This record gives sequence, structure tokens and C-alpha cells, in this order.
Amino acid sequence: AQSVTQLDSQVPVFEEAPVELRCNYSSSVSVYLFWYVQYPNQGLQLLLKYLSGSTLVESINGFEAEFNKSQTSFHLRKPSVHISDTAEYFCAVGTTQGGSEKLVFGKGTKLTVNP
Amino acid sequence: NAGVTQTPKFRILKIGQSMTLQCTQDMNHNYMYWYRQDPGMGLKLIYYSVGAGITDKGEVPNGYNVSRSTTEDFPLRLELAAPSQTSVYFCASTPPGADTQYFGPGTRLTVL
Repeated sequence: AQSVTQLDSQVPVFEEAPVELRCNYSSSVSVYLFWYVQYPNQGLQLLLKYLSGSTLVESINGFEAEFNKSQTSFHLRKPSVHISDTAEYFCAVGTTQGGSEKLVFGKGTKLTVNP
Repeated sequence: NAGVTQTPKFRILKIGQSMTLQCTQDMNHNYMYWYRQDPGMGLKLIYYSVGAGITDKGEVPNGYNVSRSTTEDFPLRLELAAPSQTSVYFCASTPPGADTQYFGPGTRLTVL
């Protein structure tokens, strides 16, 4: 079975500061890794994903994450955050079992960007 | 495309009442999912479906039922509402062989 641990439940930062949201996973099989973002009172949206290939993946709004197989991590980073990045971020691990695709989500990290 | 739509957006139930949460997607996705989200707990999978007529339990199925008679619709049924079912419910879908799940806007349910 897979599991995901997001090490910080809340991360407050100032605008234009760098941020790192940590995610570790466990799995006995090959995994896909995802970061989803949830803005207040909305559903989840895919931010970025790692399926294979380059271990560094990027989103269109400046976030990046690096898959580290030896450390079983997929930390999310942004060098300079904006107020609009305030949201809850979920790390998720996916595998294919018996022909279906299922995700296991972490508990989420609330990022608050203060002016 | 409207994507994944959910109704209602909000609902208050009394203990013991029943209701159906509706989920519809217009993207012709085979896979559909129901999650519940509780504060600080992330998302837990309730039920999922890999196609019309095929459903299976997720991590937290007790107290819920689902059906999938069409590709588009995947309703979630609560037969005897309990306070423990107070939560935000999200429906999601994905095409086969793909990896990204597309989420609806959610239904906020309160059971008093």
C-alpha cells in the first residue's frame, strides 16, 4: 500500500520569500507523483506531476518539484511567492492496480503568503 | 465542456435522513471517484468506478452507496445520515490510461 506524508500542516511566509512544501511517500511499486492545489472554497487542481523522465518538473506559475527516489521525496518549491499562492497544497501518489488508477493523498499543507 | 459538476453545493441534513449527491462529467471519462475531505485529514477515497456498471469500494465506504448506470453520472447515496458524515465531498474523473484527476467544486454537507 502507498502512503504520503506532508511534514508541515501550515507554512506562513512573506511575499517574495522562497518556500518549500515537503512531501515524502512510501510504496513498494513504481509510483506517479502529483501536487494538487486547492484555493479557498474550490475543488482541487493539478499543479504538476512526475510520471517518468526528468526528475525536475515545473508548473506554469513558477512552482517546481523534484522526484528523489532514494529519499522517497517530492518536495514542492517556489523561489518567490505571491499573495495569490495562498492555498492548500496536496501531495498525492498514484499507481495502477488491477486496471484502475487511484490516488492516495497527503493531509495537505496550508500555505499562507503575507504581505 | 462544463467539466465535472456537482449538486447541491451545500446541504444540511438531520440524523437519519437520506440524500443523493449528484456528480456529472461531460468529458467522456471512464474513471470516476468520490472523496471526502475533512479538515487536516486530506482526501479519503469513498468509492470509485472504472466504467458504467462497475464500482468498487475505496478506503472509507461505510455508510455510502454508489451506482454508475451511465458514463456521465456517478451519484453518491447516503442512506442514514450520521454526524460523522459531515464533510466536504468531491467528485473527480479521469480518462483511462491518463493520470490527472479532474475535480468538481464540491458539496459541503452538514449532518445535525
